[in-house]
Amino acid sequence: DAKTTQPTSMDCAEGRAANLPCNHSTISGNEYVYWYRQIHSQGPQYIIHGLKNNETNEMASLIITEDRKSSTLILPHATLRDTAVYYCIVPNYGQNFVFGPGTRLSVLP
Amino acid sequence: ETGVTQTPRHLVMGMTNKKSLKCEQHLGHNAMYWYKQSAKKPLELMFVYSLEERVENNSVPSRFSPECPNSSHLFLHLHTLQPEDSALYLCASSQFKGGRSYEQYFGPGTRLTVT
Repeated sequence: DAKTTQPTSMDCAEGRAANLPCNHSTISGNEYVYWYRQIHSQGPQYIIHGLKNNETNEMASLIITEDRKSSTLILPHATLRDTAVYYCIVPNYGQNFVFGPGTRLSVLP
Repeated sequence: ETGVTQTPRHLVMGMTNKKSLKCEQHLGHNAMYWYKQSAKKPLELMFVYSLEERVENNSVPSRFSPECPNSSHLFLHLHTLQPEDSALYLCASSQFKGGRSYEQYFGPGTRLTVT
């Protein structure tokens, strides 16, 4: 897998946008960027993925830089229930997903 | 509800016991996975089944034995476990097509405690 680096932890005020960065400078042209989150002691939850273009769904937006070496997951209006560990994953084409330590996001009231 | 169920949700077993974890997916996927998550550690991939054939075994001890009888069901048979095997065991499924694994959907996990 292309190596990803994420901050260990972040805080965000409730109701504000949470912007979670991820660096993946060794990404190849056909490798996707995936985001998952894991709320304490639950199974990871798929959030969103993208290749080149920015993507948006009901949960979040994904902004990928033009050179594809980094991306940002945006939770537009964070709630207390968004407190979780967020994982940025870039699996090699046809290979498996490797979960790193992720970013622990704390949404504060 | 992700479409992936796991039973039991909690399991306590002694080191001499034999037990099995069950996973079922209702998403029509053709690949299934077992992961282990020890306390405060990232997920570790244990086994991968694609089209019901095991394609990866990440050097998992033989006391863990997977079984995939069809594309919807996955088992993890446990025997003579050690206390350090206590962890959250997660099952996932995905579509595998054209040489590519698509997004994985996870079950809620089985919390295993070995005494």
